[in-house]
Amino acid sequence: NAGVTQTPKFRILKIGQSMTLQCTQDMNHNYMYWYRQDPGMGLKLIYYSVGAGITDKGEVPNGYNVSRSTTEDFPLRLELAAPSQTSVYFCASSPEDRMNTEAFFGQGTRLTVV
Amino acid sequence: QKEVEQDPGPLSVPEGAIVSLNCTYSNSAFQYFMWYRQYSRKGPELLMYTYSSGNKEDGRFTAQVDKSSKYISLFIRDSQPSDSATYLCAMRGAIGGYQKVTFGTGTKLQVIP
Repeated sequence: NAGVTQTPKFRILKIGQSMTLQCTQDMNHNYMYWYRQDPGMGLKLIYYSVGAGITDKGEVPNGYNVSRSTTEDFPLRLELAAPSQTSVYFCASSPEDRMNTEAFFGQGTRLTVV
Repeated sequence: QKEVEQDPGPLSVPEGAIVSLNCTYSNSAFQYFMWYRQYSRKGPELLMYTYSSGNKEDGRFTAQVDKSSKYISLFIRDSQPSDSATYLCAMRGAIGGYQKVTFGTGTKLQVIP
């Protein structure tokens, strides 16, 4: 049972480039989330999804897009990367009856934009 | 004022000590309270969550919630070097029409053998 798997683990992007952070979970959870974690700032919610085909903005969605075509996958797209998007990105999932009081996190993607 | 305040530490204690980690919050809409542990370069993992005021115990860990003071604590008894990590508090409540979870910034704990 792999849980939540994120790829890649590390990436360096140039300003203006685009990339997709991949996230997949094998726990059949309906709820999935993308967070970013910056030093001294805590985890900030970027986007979340309550099921396939349903996504919504979180606290800091600007510069990002998501899609949810299957229960398992929840990719995060960065368009026109900016230095402010340098961060550690975490994908998480939770069972519906726990909503996000019991979230399972991936190992994170460390992104540097130069 | 931040919605959730957490002392970043670092907190350094000898092995076997009792550790107290704390968070305060300002929004009374928060109803669920969680503690996550995050090892270096890893994702957070849930330790405990609680809904009501009072204490909840799980092994060496005790979570305490005082809603009247808007204050939560995590106590670790008989601390071990393997407890060295960053501890994040998190709170959930109905805010702005949806269930919002807000994380603290984390307290870094080091348990010295």
